[in-house]
Amino acid sequence: AQKITQTQPGMFVQEKEAVTLDCTYDTSDQSYGLFWYKQPSSGEMIFLIYQGSYDEQNATEGRYSLNFQKARKSANLVISASQLGDSAMYFCAMRPVSSGSARQLTFGSGTQLTVLP
Amino acid sequence: KAGVTQTPRYLIKTRGQQVTLSCSPISGHRSVSWYQQTPGQGLQFLFEYFSETQRNKGNFPGRFSGRQFSNSRSEMNVSTLELGDSALYLCASSFLKGTSAQETQYFGPGTRLLVL
Repeated sequence: AQKITQTQPGMFVQEKEAVTLDCTYDTSDQSYGLFWYKQPSSGEMIFLIYQGSYDEQNATEGRYSLNFQKARKSANLVISASQLGDSAMYFCAMRPVSSGSARQLTFGSGTQLTVLP
Repeated sequence: KAGVTQTPRYLIKTRGQQVTLSCSPISGHRSVSWYQQTPGQGLQFLFEYFSETQRNKGNFPGRFSGRQFSNSRSEMNVSTLELGDSALYLCASSFLKGTSAQETQYFGPGTRLLVL
């Protein structure tokens, strides 16, 4: 079984500054994928970034980067140059990676990010 | 390419009724998963369909069911609604390339169900 822990229920950041959202995970699987999603108040889950457990480099997607520390089982999301539109709930999720494995995601409890002008 | 669409977006029902929610995946995506999101339980997996077959099911009672059609569109049904079924129901689709490596699930806007 997999477990995702997000210890920050809420975070505040000043516009244009960088912010790190924490995510730790627990799994017995050797191969797995880690995902971050953004959920605005409208409800839709927006995919942000993916990190595979065997990827040697940290993933980056525009202003989003993932600080992946496999030994510590952490996959923190870093948002650079925060914008007001970044205010939303952010979820960390994971899934085992192997042929035929179930595709369901296990989600953390989320972090509500508020960007201040 | 159009995203995942879900209908209806909002729904109000009373206890004991049943409800059917619909999900149209991204064109070319063959796998559809459903999740329930509540303030108390967070995001929980309901079930996954691929090629009209249920591949996996979460820990929900039998009142929750679903199906997938030949065009990959999916429906989920909840019978004998309870107050605790009030939630945001999210549908996600993925392409399914043979392994689940880097297979991203793309979500729809969700259906907000309120049970009175």
